[in-house]
Amino acid sequence: GIQVEQSPPDLILQEGANSTLRCNFSDSVNNLQWFHQNPWGQLINLFYIPSGTKQNGRLSATTVATERYSLLYISSSQTTDSGVYFCAAINTGTASKLTFGTGTRLQVTL
Amino acid sequence: EAGVAQSPRYKIIEKRQSVAFWCNPISGHATLYWYQQILGQGPKLLIQFQNNGVVDDSQLPKDRFSAERLKGVDSTLKIQPAKLEDSAVYLCASSDSGAGGTPYEQYFGPGTRLTVT
Repeated sequence: GIQVEQSPPDLILQEGANSTLRCNFSDSVNNLQWFHQNPWGQLINLFYIPSGTKQNGRLSATTVATERYSLLYISSSQTTDSGVYFCAAINTGTASKLTFGTGTRLQVTL
Repeated sequence: EAGVAQSPRYKIIEKRQSVAFWCNPISGHATLYWYQQILGQGPKLLIQFQNNGVVDDSQLPKDRFSAERLKGVDSTLKIQPAKLEDSAVYLCASSDSGAGGTPYEQYFGPGTRLTVT
């Protein structure tokens, strides 16, 4: 099956800093999603982005499907951005099974 | 629009006991998923339903886990008997689906945190 790798595994930022999280996937995809898992365990949808670029406030994401990677940008980070960020992908031709990466744990400090 | 609902939110049981989780998907979503998330890992798919039919249950430990989606709406996931390694968060998700099964965005419920002692 498809392999999804995320980097870095851990990230500590001061409030106001910017960051880039990376997601590499091993095969072609027809779905790619970014999630934020908050300290209470809720998975919050950030982006549905199988290709192209999207922006939502301080967050933006870019997926380059031909090169098999996606990037999540967080600008002007806030303490509420803390948590685990997951990338998940569906391999083309494998119905709807989302395969998750191992996540990037982000801590934003004052 | 109401999100995916799950209950209970927390459950503590002893090994060899049974437990059941309930999920109500977003209204109109034909596809429903159950994922297992072990501490420190990403969620892993256990079973996927399209309406009330099973699409993928290849990762479901069928000797102890069972799931059903009667009438194509609500779903229950059962574990019997539970083992220590079943301690995890069980997440339900739902999505719409297009022609030919095109996968749309999946939305997750709050999860049920299971502790097996």
